[in-house]
Amino acid sequence: GAVVSQHPSWVICKSGTSVKIECRSLDFQATTMFWYRQFPKQSLMLMATSNEGSKATYEQGVEKDKFLINHASLTLSTLTVTSAHPEDSSFYICSARQTKAETQYFGPGTRLLVL
Amino acid sequence: KQEVTQIPAALSVPEGENLVLNCSFTDSAIYNLQWFRQDPGKGLTSLLLIQSSQREQTSGRLNASLDKSSGRSTLYIAASQPGDSATYLCAVFWYSGAGSYQLTFGKGTKLSVIP
Repeated sequence: GAVVSQHPSWVICKSGTSVKIECRSLDFQATTMFWYRQFPKQSLMLMATSNEGSKATYEQGVEKDKFLINHASLTLSTLTVTSAHPEDSSFYICSARQTKAETQYFGPGTRLLVL
Repeated sequence: KQEVTQIPAALSVPEGENLVLNCSFTDSAIYNLQWFRQDPGKGLTSLLLIQSSQREQTSGRLNASLDKSSGRSTLYIAASQPGDSATYLCAVFWYSGAGSYQLTFGKGTKLSVIP
């Protein structure tokens, strides 16, 4: 089956630093990748949708200048949390799909802790 | 806007018991519905996917049903085992307009199976 990886699996950083999370589709080309955030005991909330080679579409309430998304190739998308603050501490999960109507395949998630 | 609700939020059952998890969604114009399992601090594992034209899907001890007209789905777990302990998420895949599809998650049901 389709496999999506994320790196790193967890990261601890100081407040004010930037953190980059990678999402890769290992055995298929992902025309669209999604970034979700999950706070404790909450559901996954879609942050943004990115299509390869174009700008990401952000959901309402998500700051595009704070959460930079780059989908430079059909197998890689990156999420950079700029000037991270403790309230950005969360579980970030990416997913990828090949066409508009196909299943999304999820990565294992990245746990971010900002001190 | 699509909203997904899962009831109950938490459930504790003795080993061997059969159980039902519920999911409801507000907009019945969905493309498919998916049940996921999430272990603590981990990513998502897809359990079952039901297309909008289907009524149910089965995999081993799991059976998921879909009643699109009433906006409801159930996940039935037979002969529960301690290894089934996890959070179960329901997600609907729907057309959100402007050529885009979106996956909306419920908050999940946290299941504990007591040995």
